[in-house]
Amino acid sequence: DTGVSQDPRHKITKRGQNVTFRCDPISEHNRLYWYRQTLGQGPEFLTYFQNEAQLEKSRLLSDRFSAERPKGSFSTLEIQRTEQGDSAMYLCASSNGRDRGFRTPQHFGDGTRLSIL
Amino acid sequence: AQKITQTQPGMFVQEKEAVTLDCTYDTSDPSYGLFWYKQPSSGEMIFLIYQGSYDQQNATEGRYSLNFQKARKSANLVISASQLGDSAMYFCAMGRNTGNQFYFGTGTSLTVIP
Repeated sequence: DTGVSQDPRHKITKRGQNVTFRCDPISEHNRLYWYRQTLGQGPEFLTYFQNEAQLEKSRLLSDRFSAERPKGSFSTLEIQRTEQGDSAMYLCASSNGRDRGFRTPQHFGDGTRLSIL
Repeated sequence: AQKITQTQPGMFVQEKEAVTLDCTYDTSDPSYGLFWYKQPSSGEMIFLIYQGSYDQQNATEGRYSLNFQKARKSANLVISASQLGDSAMYFCAMGRNTGNQFYFGTGTSLTVIP
């Protein structure tokens, strides 16, 4: 169990630029989640994948945000035309939900901290 | 609407004492799960304990126990024999059987005093 890996750890970019984050879940985990966390707040759900299928998207996920999990393994989260309000920590989590579904605890990565100048 | 409420922004506890962190939730789903996570200053989210809505007994994991009162829709975390390393943010979260979203509260910052 090597844990959930996120890359990069930090990203600083100018407003209007596009950014892409990567998440490598624990290898046998079929469920993958993306969250956004701002200072002093709990994680806010963004989207959920079961294997390669994106089954849930939050209303927080505007059309500037897109996520993929092409082969049911790693996932990418892209933000186009970044805005100041996108500055946050982006967390990825995975779980093995085959037996217990949503009851399975999620394992989180260390996150990607995005700063928009 | 689904919602998690943590009303204690900050809590202090003396080392070796017990502390209760409050969590209330709002859902109309009959099947749901409640989770507690710890987030130290280093930032990683660490799973602590899980309680299912149909579980008859309160969950326990080492020094962590969950005081689940279904009728009151509360799922309070009890940490016994607090240690300095317990100082962190604590988040209550809920997942439902009818959807794939998870909802987190705003967290409680716990400080353990030597």
